[in-house]
Amino acid sequence: GDSVTQTEGPVTLSEGTSLTVNCSYETKQYPTLFWYVQYPGEGPQLLFKVPKANEKGSNRGFEATYNKEATSFHLQKASVQESDSAVYYCALGDNSGTYQRFGTGTKLQVVP
Amino acid sequence: GPKVLQIPSHQIIDMGQMVTLNCDPVSNHLYFYWYKQILGQQMEFLVNFYNGKVMEKSKLFKDQFSVERPDGSYFTLKIQPTALEDSAVYFCASSLGLGGRDAEQFFGPGTRLTVL
Repeated sequence: GDSVTQTEGPVTLSEGTSLTVNCSYETKQYPTLFWYVQYPGEGPQLLFKVPKANEKGSNRGFEATYNKEATSFHLQKASVQESDSAVYYCALGDNSGTYQRFGTGTKLQVVP
Repeated sequence: GPKVLQIPSHQIIDMGQMVTLNCDPVSNHLYFYWYKQILGQQMEFLVNFYNGKVMEKSKLFKDQFSVERPDGSYFTLKIQPTALEDSAVYFCASSLGLGGRDAEQFFGPGTRLTVL
């Protein structure tokens, strides 16, 4: 079945450093890939989604490229800020009729 | 953007009692979900629901749990009886579809359930 594996957290970074959260997926279909962000005390919200292979999604300085060959969708940001502290979930939505699969989430803490 | 509402925001009950968590999903959405998040941990899938039926559930969805959406009203999660380990934040979500772009889920703010 479909599955998503992402970097185990927590990840602690200093402000201004770069971020990479790895996400790998398994599916027999042609999925749409998502990154969600959950800020403390809130429900998750969509960061961005990418429906097509080899395309890039981006929002708020975060970006990820849908790499079909490597079955990866790593989240990156060049320079993190304290306000980026949150839990990040990678998710896969394929077209076979099964529900969207979420990764286990990666907690990011950015310190001054 | 579209909003999912959850009522109440916080519920405190005694162990063994019944509790119903209510979710008002996005109006044109067809698929509904519940997730459980224990304090300090990541969110975990419980169940998804479509056309009046449970489509898929995880091992966390115990026999004491049930879901329904009578007559297009609230989508509810009922726990009867409750146990101490049910204390958590429960998130409701809805989506237009199940695959591709339509699989984007919109989440509510959560209901914090405390079982004493």
